[in-house]
Amino acid sequence: EVQLVQSGTEVKKPGESLRISCKGSGYSFTNYWISWVRQMPGKGLEWMGRIDPSESQTNYSPSFQGHVTNSVDKSISTAYLQWSSLKASDTAIYYCARGYQYCTTTNCYYYFDYWGQGTLVTVSS
Amino acid sequence: QSVLTQPPSASGTPGQRVTISCSGSSSNIGSNTVNWYQQLPGTAPKLLIHSNNQRPLGVPDRFSGSKSGTSASLAISGLQSEDEADYYCAAWDDSLIGPGFGGGTKLTVL
Repeated sequence: EVQLVQSGTEVKKPGESLRISCKGSGYSFTNYWISWVRQMPGKGLEWMGRIDPSESQTNYSPSFQGHVTNSVDKSISTAYLQWSSLKASDTAIYYCARGYQYCTTTNCYYYFDYWGQGTLVTVSS
Repeated sequence: QSVLTQPPSASGTPGQRVTISCSGSSSNIGSNTVNWYQQLPGTAPKLLIHSNNQRPLGVPDRFSGSKSGTSASLAISGLQSEDEADYYCAAWDDSLIGPGFGGGTKLTVL
């Protein structure tokens, strides 16, 4: 059974650093990109960026580039989302999701077939 | 501001058929496939429809998706109380070089 299990709730102060995790199991971890998705309180889903666990290649949404860092430790099938200096506006639930991608001769298809349970991050002084 | 545009709310009574629209542009829906996610209250999103109209195993055939040009829609027939949730459309965006989401539609079953 494919599972993505995320680390637990975090409460931090502005300016602090943080790393949250997402551990994959039940599949070959290096075969699928892992994305991170933000959901601010009462708001919708926003794609933040993704990482290829096999080569650690990343790409980020311009909205998040430079503010967060994606990394991975493929030896333990775990992806990470990291902040060096949190802001109150980072308060949100963060989901990791497995990206399923395939291409035919005419089209490419990309979707999130499995999601983690979410990590609530609260940043408050 | 979301990449794709959805109505913020929709509603229906049990047994009815409801549709939720999703509008995009040539850089996303116009050139890539559309996916739909269901988020029940207090839970993580779940894949509902992928590749415009494909249902993952376990998703009832009451849910169906379609796409035309730069728009897409999700239809739910035989509405049930457990369908009350937030629904998000998404599509790869060639400008973003990543998936763009709609703002979500809150479905209320009256």
